[in-house]
Amino acid sequence: DARVTQTPRHKVTEMGQEVTMRCQPILGHNTVFWYRQTMMQGLELLAYFRNRAPLDDSGMPKDRFSAEMPDATLATLKIQPSEPRDSAVYFCASDLIIRGTLINRTPSGNTIYFGEGSWLTVV
Amino acid sequence: KQEVTQIPAALSVPEGENLVLNCSFTDSAIYNLQWFRQDPGKGLTSLLLIQSSQREQTSGRLNASLDKSSGRSTLYIAASQPGDSATYLCAVIGTGFQKLVFGTGTRLLVSP
Repeated sequence: DARVTQTPRHKVTEMGQEVTMRCQPILGHNTVFWYRQTMMQGLELLAYFRNRAPLDDSGMPKDRFSAEMPDATLATLKIQPSEPRDSAVYFCASDLIIRGTLINRTPSGNTIYFGEGSWLTVV
Repeated sequence: KQEVTQIPAALSVPEGENLVLNCSFTDSAIYNLQWFRQDPGKGLTSLLLIQSSQREQTSGRLNASLDKSSGRSTLYIAASQPGDSATYLCAVIGTGFQKLVFGTGTRLLVSP
């Protein structure tokens, strides 16, 4: 049963500390998304990668956030230094997109899969 | 900039009722629209996807419709069950890029 794996599932840290969240996309997927979910803003796209190359990180605060894909099986989102306003759930999702189109394979017609999120609290 | 709105924000119904969740989007130039379900403490699970050329999709007790020209979609849930209790989110992908823009969700509670 293919799934996106995120670690840590929960993290409580003090303001100013570095936080690194990791994501293992589904094998064979070439697109990885990082979303942040809060009660006030809902789900916001922070960044996404295609074939490990960053395509759009305009939703990410550049001064403290960074996202990378060291290899096809690992995506990371780092916050340094962390602030209380960063408290949120961070979701990773992966998808298979070829030639600008979405490949529909699942019964629901969608190939995008979300991880269960990393619940971050910065105190 | 695409904006997606969902009404109502929360809905509480007794078991067995049929219900409709609404989604509206400001830019009709979409590639597709998707409905997701999110359970507390969990990620999102895709329910239905409607291509921009389609009018509706069905899966079991769920039926999603799309009126692209008016920027609206509805998710119809027939014979609701307590297990349907969750947050339902709609999301659209524009024709120019492949990132989902989400609505704020409707929190559904189906009581026994």
